[in-house]
Amino acid sequence: AQKVTQAQTEISVVEKEDVTLDCVYETRDTTYYLFWYKQPPSGELVFLIRRNSFDEQNEISGRYSWNFQKSTSSFNFTITASQVVDSAVYFCALSRGTSYGKLTFGQGTILTVHP
Amino acid sequence: DTEVTQTPKHLVMGMTNKKSLKCEQHMGHRAMYWYKQKAKKPPELMFVYSYEKLSINESVPSRFSPECPNSSLLNLHLHALQPEDSALYLCASSQVGGHQPQHFGDGTRLSIL
Repeated sequence: AQKVTQAQTEISVVEKEDVTLDCVYETRDTTYYLFWYKQPPSGELVFLIRRNSFDEQNEISGRYSWNFQKSTSSFNFTITASQVVDSAVYFCALSRGTSYGKLTFGQGTILTVHP
Repeated sequence: DTEVTQTPKHLVMGMTNKKSLKCEQHMGHRAMYWYKQKAKKPPELMFVYSYEKLSINESVPSRFSPECPNSSLLNLHLHALQPEDSALYLCASSQVGGHQPQHFGDGTRLSIL
């Protein structure tokens, strides 16, 4: 069975603060994929990043960075110098390495960035 | 703008009505998905189509009936829904494979009276 835990239900920060969203996962598969999605109030989920289980290289994209650690089964997401437009619900998700793209989502973290 | 288009954006229907939700994508994706999302919850997978064939049905009640007429279109036919079916219904598409990122539409906000 697969499980994704996002322990932080809600986070509130002031603009320009750095913020880290935690994601811990459980799986018995040796091949799996981790994703982060952003869901603004408009409703659509926006794909942010995918990480393969065999690639622990961290990634930076502009103000966003991701830290993948297999030893602690974590895939954390950091926003540097947060902005009001970053306010959204962020979901971490896990997928098996099979043909069907069934995602196991975490409960989501509501991020509010105040001006 | 999202590359997955869902219509209508909002739908209000009575419990005896029949309606359909539509989803269209032109990214050449061969996997399409329906999700149901309640407020403050993550999306829940309902159906997966792969190469226009139903691959996964997550034990969804028969009052929800999916249809994939071609590789670009996905419909969800609704009949005799219950108030608890009120939710945001999201469509997504991807290349086939569990490693492929899914691209979501804006969703249809459905209210059952």
